[in-house]
Amino acid sequence: AQSVTQLDSQVPVFEEAPVELRCNYSSSVSVYLFWYVQYPNQGLQLLLKYLSGSTLVKGINGFEAEFNKSQTSFHLRKPSVHISDTAEYFCAVSEWNAGNMLTFGGGTRLMVKP
Amino acid sequence: EAQVTQNPRYLITVTGKKLTVTCSQNMNHEYMSWYRQDPGLGLRQIYYSMNVEVTDKGDVPEGYKVSRKEKRNFPLILESPSPNQTSLYFCASTPRGADGYTFGSGTRLTVV
Repeated sequence: AQSVTQLDSQVPVFEEAPVELRCNYSSSVSVYLFWYVQYPNQGLQLLLKYLSGSTLVKGINGFEAEFNKSQTSFHLRKPSVHISDTAEYFCAVSEWNAGNMLTFGGGTRLMVKP
Repeated sequence: EAQVTQNPRYLITVTGKKLTVTCSQNMNHEYMSWYRQDPGLGLRQIYYSMNVEVTDKGDVPEGYKVSRKEKRNFPLILESPSPNQTSLYFCASTPRGADGYTFGSGTRLTVV
């Protein structure tokens, strides 16, 4: 069975600083990987996804993530954050043969301070 | 506008009183799913559906029912709600897993 671990429940960072949100997954088969963002009192919005091919994927709002198969990781990065990036971020995994079932990590709250 | 619509957004109810949360999508997606979100636990799948009349249990199905009589609708039914079902609920849909899910705005349910 697939599982996802987000190593940090909260990440405080100053505005314009770089940030990395960590995600590790466990699966015995090939997977699709996703990052979602949830702004306060809203639903989840897809930031980016990895399906296959290049291990570095770029998403919306200047975010990117790198798939590392040997370390089973899919960390999210942004070189310079804004106050508006304050939100909760969820990593998720879907196994290729799992009938589209999506498993989420526990979430990381990114708090950008001025 | 392509979207997943849930109703109601907020609901307070009493233990044991049956309720239904509706979910509708206008994108002709085959796959639909219900999740509950609890602090520190992320989102956990309750039920999912791969097509009309095809549903299956997710990770936390106890106390919930679903139906998929039409492609666009996937209601979540709580026949006898209990306080441990107080949570934030999301409906989501996708044409296929690799495309990622589109989520509704959520339903905040409180059972007293």
